[in-house]
Amino acid sequence: RKEVEQDPGPFNVPEGATVAFNCTYSNSASQSFFWYRQDCRKEPKLLMSVYSSGNEDGRFTAQLNRASQYISLLIRDSKLSDSATYLCVVTAQRSGGSYIPTFGRGTSLIVHP
Amino acid sequence: DGGITQSPKYLFRKEGQNVTLSCEQNLNHDAMYWYRQDPGQGLRLIYYSQIVNDFQKGDIAEGYSVSREKKESFPLTVTSAQKNPTAFYLCASSTGLAGVYIQYFGAGTRLSVL
Repeated sequence: RKEVEQDPGPFNVPEGATVAFNCTYSNSASQSFFWYRQDCRKEPKLLMSVYSSGNEDGRFTAQLNRASQYISLLIRDSKLSDSATYLCVVTAQRSGGSYIPTFGRGTSLIVHP
Repeated sequence: DGGITQSPKYLFRKEGQNVTLSCEQNLNHDAMYWYRQDPGQGLRLIYYSQIVNDFQKGDIAEGYSVSREKKESFPLTVTSAQKNPTAFYLCASSTGLAGVYIQYFGAGTRLSVL
């Protein structure tokens, strides 16, 4: 089982739709969780951190379920500009003590008019 | 203006040649990382460094080498031993405040083989 797994998509949705992505992780000792956004041929940029209590930033809501080892991202009222790849990132301790982020393959979102 | 600068943006390598990718940060971050991204794939960790003069192999270190002589700089050398070097290379840095390891990325270097 891969450390971090995402459905690669693409998710093809109309403007104004609500779309949700899930990401599962294998290491139960994982400590911190993030969603990054990556536009075509660009570097990833932090979208939001994910907290156990859930957190919201405008149209974006992130949830963490430690018992089932998954995180989710909900995007409401999708905009054309939301079209991108969304990367799930999970940080866990490796041998040697360092906390290292592991990236999922990403989920592609295409929002059409 | 704080950030991470990678250079060059595009790089071409000839057979048997070593090439070095530059990564400089002025965020005062302790940790720095190198990733490789292939088309349609996620980021794979090549090397990371938590402090100056120390670095660790990541998941795909074979054919690569790094140094960390200064806090601000973490250059990556792609050696001739790396037989499939064509990829998008991303450098990142992070701070580990309160156990939260948010990474910030440079704009990347696209390496191709001639």
